[in-house]
Amino acid sequence: KAGVTQTPRYLIKTRGQQVTLSCSPISGHRSVSWYQQTPGQGLQFLFEYFSETQRNKGNFPGRFSGRQFSNSRSEMNVSTLELGDSALYLCASSLETGDHTNFGPGTRLLVL
Amino acid sequence: GDSVTQMEGPVTLSEEACLTINCTYTATGYPSLFWYVQYPGEGLQLLLKATKADDKGSNKGFEATYRKETTSFHLEKGSVQVSDSAVYFCALSDLEYGNKLVFGAGTILRVKS
Repeated sequence: KAGVTQTPRYLIKTRGQQVTLSCSPISGHRSVSWYQQTPGQGLQFLFEYFSETQRNKGNFPGRFSGRQFSNSRSEMNVSTLELGDSALYLCASSLETGDHTNFGPGTRLLVL
Repeated sequence: GDSVTQMEGPVTLSEEACLTINCTYTATGYPSLFWYVQYPGEGLQLLLKATKADDKGSNKGFEATYRKETTSFHLEKGSVQVSDSAVYFCALSDLEYGNKLVFGAGTILRVKS
């Protein structure tokens, strides 16, 4: 079966712009989680969506938001981009709570 | 809150050497523990996991045992290969705090031929 897919894989934006990243989970998975990876802060949890509802949220400013559609695909949006938002954004999908097996390849965002 | 501490790297080994990467955790509940590997330019791959005390996770020659008494989950391999060169992350998930992972800082492993 197809794995977790993320689009786009690479993105370059300038400060002040906004960006939308997409994650398509494994078929049948209803939970999608997002993580940010930076050299300075490491891997940090952004939020989790389950059946179109945000179930859990990390400690990020309100500029970071997300949503999940009825087909379980998820998008995350970052508004008013800052240089510090440059990171690898990883998405993970789960069939069940506690199953953290499946990560996507990530979207690498560079903010100039 | 929950946290994970990993030994700092980089760890540089010769091929066929033994590997141990230390990982300790702090959690208020009963977390599941994970090791992930990240190759350059790629996402995370689950290497192994353990869901309760004394469980041993193993995969591709790597193993780790969930030690509740020492709050540890050290990663070991008896004989490393050049292809094992990557970044290794220890992580925990405590369902009392939702379906999320808390990661350690990562340990770079370099294996020389």
